[in-house]
Amino acid sequence: AQSVAQPEDQVNVAEGNPLTVKCTYSVSGNPYLFWYVQYPNRGLQFLLKYITGDNLVKGSYGFEAEFNKSQTSFHLKKPSALVSDSALYFCAVTVAGGYQKVTFGTGTKLQVIP
Amino acid sequence: NAGVTQTPKFRVLKTGQSMTLLCAQDMNHEYMYWYRQDPGMGLRLIHYSVGEGTTAKGEVPDGYNVSRLKKQNFLLGLESAAPSQTSVYFCASIPGQGYNQPQHFGDGTRLSIL
Repeated sequence: AQSVAQPEDQVNVAEGNPLTVKCTYSVSGNPYLFWYVQYPNRGLQFLLKYITGDNLVKGSYGFEAEFNKSQTSFHLKKPSALVSDSALYFCAVTVAGGYQKVTFGTGTKLQVIP
Repeated sequence: NAGVTQTPKFRVLKTGQSMTLLCAQDMNHEYMYWYRQDPGMGLRLIHYSVGEGTTAKGEVPDGYNVSRLKKQNFLLGLESAAPSQTSVYFCASIPGQGYNQPQHFGDGTRLSIL
């Protein structure tokens, strides 16, 4: 069975500082990894994905994520946080084939402090 | 492009009542999903569909039924609502065999069962 862990329920960071939101995963086979962001009263919005290739993936709004196969991690990062980045972030994993069953983490609330 | 549209946005039901949640997508996507989102639990898959006329159970299907009579619509039904079904329900879709594609989400239906 595949699983995703987001070990931090909340991350607080000062505006302008770098941010990291952690994600680790467990799958059988090669993972396809995603990050989504959710703003209040909205659905999830896609930020970035790792399928294959470069371990550093760049996405929307200046976010990036680093795939680390040996540590089975896919941490979300941004060099300089904005207050508008405050939201709920979800990591998700799937594998090829089947009906694309996607497993989501429990979410990490990011609070950027002015 | 509307993307994924969910109706209604909010609903309050009494225990034992029935209702249907509608999801409509205008992207010609093959796969559609129903999730529920509860605090601290992330998104859990209720039912999914890999094409018109097909449906299958996800992780938490009990108490729900679905239908996909038209490719663009995916309906979620609660036959006899229970307080445990109080949640935020999200619909999502992807192109067929799009396991490396991000899911497109609606903005959710907030359902309270009294």
